[in-house]
Amino acid sequence: AQRVTQPEKLLSVFKGAPVELKCNYSYSGSPELFWYVQYSRQRLQLLLRHISRESIKGFTADLNKGETSFHLKKPFAQEEDSAMYYCALLTGGGNKLTFGTGTQLKVEL
Amino acid sequence: NAGVTQTPKFQVLKTGQSMTLQCAQDMNHEYMSWYRQDPGMGLRLIHYSVGAGITDQGEVPNGYNVSRSTTEDFPLRLLSAAPSQTSVYFCASSPTYPTTDTQYFGPGTRLTVL
Repeated sequence: AQRVTQPEKLLSVFKGAPVELKCNYSYSGSPELFWYVQYSRQRLQLLLRHISRESIKGFTADLNKGETSFHLKKPFAQEEDSAMYYCALLTGGGNKLTFGTGTQLKVEL
Repeated sequence: NAGVTQTPKFQVLKTGQSMTLQCAQDMNHEYMSWYRQDPGMGLRLIHYSVGAGITDQGEVPNGYNVSRSTTEDFPLRLLSAAPSQTSVYFCASSPTYPTTDTQYFGPGTRLTVL
């Protein structure tokens, strides 16, 4: 069965430090993965998707099929990066998103 | 346009009561879905629809009904509320399937079942 694992409930870093939010998945098909973010008092929104190979707000994520991972990285954390981050896997023939449990990122000054 | 709207924002029910959570979008999106968000469990898909008249079950459909009579609306019905259904409910929509399009989320409905 498909599964998305985000092992850290809370990740606390200092401003300017590198950030890595971990995401591992289990899926028998060809994975399509996403990162969604929810800032305080805002709606959940798409941050990036692996098929686009894009960098959004300084964040990047590389799909590693060998390690079944899709970790989110940013070289220098900013205070405005503080938010809840969810990794999500597309399944069900492209109809369903399976979310991880989320990681709360706190960037301290 | 307003995007994805949800009503009510907050609701308290007693066990056994029924109610409908409303979701509407004005972007002419074909795909709509309902999730529940629980602490430590992330978002779990309840039901989804790929177009008017077409619905299907997600990961946790028990205790919930949906229908899609129009493109714009996708209400979620709780038939007989239980304390286990206390959660925050999010509706989302996208132009087509999530794989090719961003999902747009509503602001959420916080439901408490006593």
